[in-house]
Amino acid sequence: QKEVEQDPGPLSVPEGAIVSLNCTYSNSAFQYFMWYRQYSRKGPELLMYTYSSGNKEDGRFTAQVDKSSKYISLFIRDSQPSDSATYLCAMNPEFSGGYNKLIFGAGTRLAVHP
Amino acid sequence: DGGITQSPKYLFRKEGQNVTLSCEQNLNHDAMYWYRQDPGQGLRLIYYSQIVNDFQKGDIAEGYSVSREKKESFPLTVTSAQKNPTAFYLCASRGGGRYEQYFGPGTRLTVT
Repeated sequence: QKEVEQDPGPLSVPEGAIVSLNCTYSNSAFQYFMWYRQYSRKGPELLMYTYSSGNKEDGRFTAQVDKSSKYISLFIRDSQPSDSATYLCAMNPEFSGGYNKLIFGAGTRLAVHP
Repeated sequence: DGGITQSPKYLFRKEGQNVTLSCEQNLNHDAMYWYRQDPGQGLRLIYYSQIVNDFQKGDIAEGYSVSREKKESFPLTVTSAQKNPTAFYLCASRGGGRYEQYFGPGTRLTVT
């Protein structure tokens, strides 16, 4: 079983829809959670970053962490065609001995059609 | 503008040749990373470096080598020992005691 599971999609939605992207994980030591957006043939771009449980909002994007269920979500409101990309979740535990390693999900491909 | 640059964007090589991918950052970050991305497999860590003159193997280091002689630079050499080198290679950096990593634009390597 992978440490981080993410449905690869593709997920196809109409413009204006609310999109929900999710990851589950198995390591209860994970404390830091990130979402990256990756356009085709580009490097991943950091979208959201949260620590421990709770919600964080930034414009049309909301990141949610439920540590009791080992489940994180990214919601996109009023989705736009420009949101079409692959979304990667990433996470890691508290700093330990100066070694920091992010564990990535495989990514979910999202297509928003006009 | 602060950021990470990778060059070249596309690279073509014949089998049996070593090739070096460049990664430079001006973010003053201490830590740098190399990842490989294949379709449907997410990001896999090749090597990482926490400080100058120090680096560690990641999950798939076989057939790769790195150096870290300057804080700003972390070049990756793909050697002829790497059995399946065709992939998208991403460099990342991290600094300021934070956890998030910032990525460069990537280099697509094709070996025939």
